[in-house]
Amino acid sequence: GEDVEQSLFLSVREGDSSVINCTYTDSSSTYLYWYKQEPGAGLQLLTYIFSNMDMKQDQRLTVLLNKKDKHLSLRIADTQTGDSAIYFCADLYNQGGKLIFGQGTELSVKP
Amino acid sequence: NAGVTQTPKFQVLKTGQSMTLQCAQDMNHEYMSWYRQDPGMGLRLIHYSVGAGITDQGEVPNGYNVSRSTTEDFPLRLLSAAPSQTSVYFCASRSAGANVLTFGAGSRLTVL
Repeated sequence: GEDVEQSLFLSVREGDSSVINCTYTDSSSTYLYWYKQEPGAGLQLLTYIFSNMDMKQDQRLTVLLNKKDKHLSLRIADTQTGDSAIYFCADLYNQGGKLIFGQGTELSVKP
Repeated sequence: NAGVTQTPKFQVLKTGQSMTLQCAQDMNHEYMSWYRQDPGMGLRLIHYSVGAGITDQGEVPNGYNVSRSTTEDFPLRLLSAAPSQTSVYFCASRSAGANVLTFGAGSRLTVL
């Protein structure tokens, strides 16, 4: 089946940029998503990108998509302690409209 | 507009007991789905439905049943709970033409 992979942990200092990476296998991917989960909470949609786009910027968030390498990244500029959370990459798998999630990257922001 | 509502938020079961996790949405969404979240494994799709009367299996369907008798409700049934089903369960929905899922707040289940 289709797969989405992420590294499990990332630690940065407050004020630095964070880059969270994701790879996927789906050749017919239409949309790719970034979700944020704070401790004990549900999933909050941060942003998403259509597969015919290379980049999408939304305030402090920049999403880069390399469709050839099947690589997606999320850059958070000026990372704050409130950005500490688990970030999930997800692929809208075309068949049945199913969302396939990565394992999640736990971002730790140190003051 | 309540969005996606899951009940209960917390539940403790003994091995072999049965229970139903409820999911209701008031957005008239055609598509509904259940995921389970386990540490280091992300969210895995259990079952999904593209409309009333239609359900299908996801990645990890064993041990779970679903039905979709109305557009609004998509309950997840555990017929004989096992410790391996200890997890956080999320229900999600979207309309047929949309590309964004709306998630419920989650239900934390512990099976002893």
